[in-house]
Amino acid sequence: GEDVEQSLFLSVREGDSSVINCTYTDSSSTYLYWYKQEPGAGLQLLTYIFSNMDMKQDQRLTVLLNKKDKHLSLRIADTQTGDSAIYFCAERKPGANNLFFGTGTRLTVIP
Amino acid sequence: DTAVSQTPKYLVTQMGNDKSIKCEQNLGHDTMYWYKQDSKKFLKIMFSYNNKELIINETVPNRFSPKSPDKAHLNLHINSLELGDSAVYFCASSKRRGSERETQYFGPGTRLLVL
Repeated sequence: GEDVEQSLFLSVREGDSSVINCTYTDSSSTYLYWYKQEPGAGLQLLTYIFSNMDMKQDQRLTVLLNKKDKHLSLRIADTQTGDSAIYFCAERKPGANNLFFGTGTRLTVIP
Repeated sequence: DTAVSQTPKYLVTQMGNDKSIKCEQNLGHDTMYWYKQDSKKFLKIMFSYNNKELIINETVPNRFSPKSPDKAHLNLHINSLELGDSAVYFCASSKRRGSERETQYFGPGTRLLVL
């Protein structure tokens, strides 16, 4: 596909795990990113993964990368109400300066 | 604070006006960017710029022009504002253009509303 794709919405209960999925476009993309945008706020870099890795864990966050399928996921363990936000995946294509963003997934955490 | 900052945070203006949004980074980064986020939250690159090269997204109207007085600043000037320009504009910066290790840091955004 031409665009980075994400599901638009995800709702989970507080304490459960959240999994946000992303399909990116270029199998040669070197770095893949997850950004978080809270209501009315800017973009906060959460984590990134280099394309030669399959998995990266950072506290409650686990990133999984399947290069063959161009699939990226972000798992948030023990999801809290403060995790409610829009989550964007982004890819950095070879030779490009900028990032290509997905549509964003709006995560709602239900108390 | 070490950060990417933008001013103003909110901008409400009339159609046809000319306005500027300012961006400053004190991270010592070499490359700066402007992104536009539309009402559906879709983020698209408008420009990337370092002291040697300006790269323009071909879909950006020429009413938009980036201006960089120095390496730490990249301002966005918009002429003859249109209703469709209403969006959130994000500035970002990264350490080295073309580096695989670069990470982009974003400003808080400027919410532009054209009436």
